[in-house]
Amino acid sequence: GAVVSQHPSRVICKSGTSVKIECRSLDFQATTMFWYRQFPKQSLMLMATSNEGSKATYEQGVEKDKFLINHASLTLSTLTVTSAHPEDSSFYICSARVQNDYTFGSGTRLTVV
Amino acid sequence: GDSVTQMEGPVTLSEEAFLTINCTYTATGYPSLFWYVQYPGEGLQLLLKATKADDKGSNKGFEATYRKETTSFHLEKGSVQVSDSAVYFCALADGGTSYGKLTFGQGTILTVHP
Repeated sequence: GAVVSQHPSRVICKSGTSVKIECRSLDFQATTMFWYRQFPKQSLMLMATSNEGSKATYEQGVEKDKFLINHASLTLSTLTVTSAHPEDSSFYICSARVQNDYTFGSGTRLTVV
Repeated sequence: GDSVTQMEGPVTLSEEAFLTINCTYTATGYPSLFWYVQYPGEGLQLLLKATKADDKGSNKGFEATYRKETTSFHLEKGSVQVSDSAVYFCALADGGTSYGKLTFGQGTILTVHP
């Protein structure tokens, strides 16, 4: 089946630095990739929708300058958390729509210290 | 806008007990409905889905029926196992122009004891 590879699975960074998270579609072309954030014991919050070759669409309240999304090819979408702060610590998950299904990456646990 | 409401958790059951997790939704048009399962520290896995009214999704002993009249998609399993312990999310995908994004319920933590 369709697989989305997400890495890193865990990252610890210092406050003020930037972190890049990658999601690759391994055996299909992902025209659209969704980026979610999940706080402990809570649901997934859609942050943005990225479309190959165009600007991402951000959900209300999500800072586009802080969460940079790039979808330069049909198999790679990246989320960069810029100038990270402890409140950005969270679990980030990407997802791609494949026909009428959705496949998810395994998630990235970001800890900002 | 679209929304999904799941029953409050957490849910704790003994092995072989019957499971029901309620899910209701609000949506315009004709959404597709999903149940996803998340194990600790992992992403989401599709458990089952239904794309139109009266469809029944089923997988690994779990079932859910798309009820348009009650806008519900309750998850059931006749006999749970310890390995079913996880977080379960009900979700819908709109059929409109928003790139088919998923809207999730708040999740229900299920713990099954031997």
